[in-house]
Order: sequence, then structure tokens, then C-alpha cells
Amino acid sequence: GAVVSQHPSRVICKSGTSVKIECRSLDFQATTMFWYRQFPKQSLMLMATSNEGSKATYEQGVEKDKFLINHASLTLSTLTVTSAHPEDSSFYICSARPRSIGAEAFFGQGTRLTVV
Amino acid sequence: KQEVTQIPAALSVPEGENLVLNCSFTDSAIYNLQWFRQDPGKGLTSLLLIQSSQREQTSGRLNASLDKSSGRSTLYIAASQPGDSATYLCATLTGTASKLTFGTGTRLQVTL
Repeated sequence: GAVVSQHPSRVICKSGTSVKIECRSLDFQATTMFWYRQFPKQSLMLMATSNEGSKATYEQGVEKDKFLINHASLTLSTLTVTSAHPEDSSFYICSARPRSIGAEAFFGQGTRLTVV
Repeated sequence: KQEVTQIPAALSVPEGENLVLNCSFTDSAIYNLQWFRQDPGKGLTSLLLIQSSQREQTSGRLNASLDKSSGRSTLYIAASQPGDSATYLCATLTGTASKLTFGTGTRLQVTL
């Protein structure tokens, strides 16, 4: 299947700093990418939909100023957690899907963020 | 708003058993339903994708069925192996924004 690469897989940062997570679709173009957050032993919660060349669409309750999303090209989306706090510690996963309606979704390996 | 539920939440079976994981959803207007596997601390691996017009899909020892009208899907795993131990998630694709809604997952442990 298609490959979505997410980097870094694990990051530890100090409270108050910003962290950038990259998501790349390696063998297909993705006009839309999705960012999820997963708490321990819980399912994935959609944070935002990243649209190439335009602003991201955030889900209700997600602070867009804290979680900055940039989708600069058809193969790259980034999530920046700004002024991170310990409560932002979580597992973040990106997803990409080829353009056609109903196409299969592929997921990155996830990023474990720990804010100390 | 789509709601996806998975039963059971956890399951432990001895190696070699056949098992069924259940997924139910409230909005039948889906484009497709996808089953994923997630190992601890890892991302998601796509197992099977069933389009809304299909009734089932098979891959190796896995078979997934879809009954859209009743809002149900099942994942059948034949001859389970310890390597099948993981969390299994189902997700439906709906809406003009084509969002995936995930179930709560089933944690499967296959013992020797």
C-alpha cells in the first residue's frame, strides 16, 4: 500500500517551546491530510483537516493558534504545537488519502510528544 | 454526527481460534468502512477497505463484512496467531469533508 511518513517518531521538549511534526505522502499526491490526537487506551480524535494551499479546518474545541497546520505542497503537511504544555503530551498521528472519493486512508507512524 | 462503536473492548483467545470483532455505526450514509490494526505506540496499518457498494473483503486470514443498512461490520480472523495481538479499529468515511470516524477499538490478545 501507499506510504505516509511521519517525523519525528518521538520528541521530548520543555514547556513553553514549540515542536514541529512533519507528515509526508511518499508515493501519491494528497490534497487533503488529517491530523489526529490519541490519548492512552483511547481512539483517535480528529484535530484538523489540512488542505493544500489553503487554511486548515479545525474541529470544534481544537485551538488553531496552539496547533498550527501548514500544507505547503501536495506531499507535505506540518503540525506545530506552539508554547507546549504538559497537557499537550500525547500521540499525534497524520493521515493522507489519494484524491478520489472513497479512497483508502493511510497513516503515518505517529509521534509521541512529551512536554516536561 | 456519526458514532462508531466496537464490541468487545478487549478479547483474549488461545492461539488457533477463529474470532469475530464487531463494529456498529449510526449513520449508514458512508462512502466506505476501513479496518485498521494498531500495535502499541505505533501508527495505524490498514487491513481491509470495504466500499459502500460492497458486502465483504478478504485478505489472507482476514475477512470483513459490511451491512450498511443495519450499520454493522464484522472482522473475522481465522486461525489466530500470537502475532495478531494488537488493537483493531474500524472507521467509517462520511460527509462532504470525507472525514473518518473511528470506533473505540478492540484490544486483542492471542495467547500460546
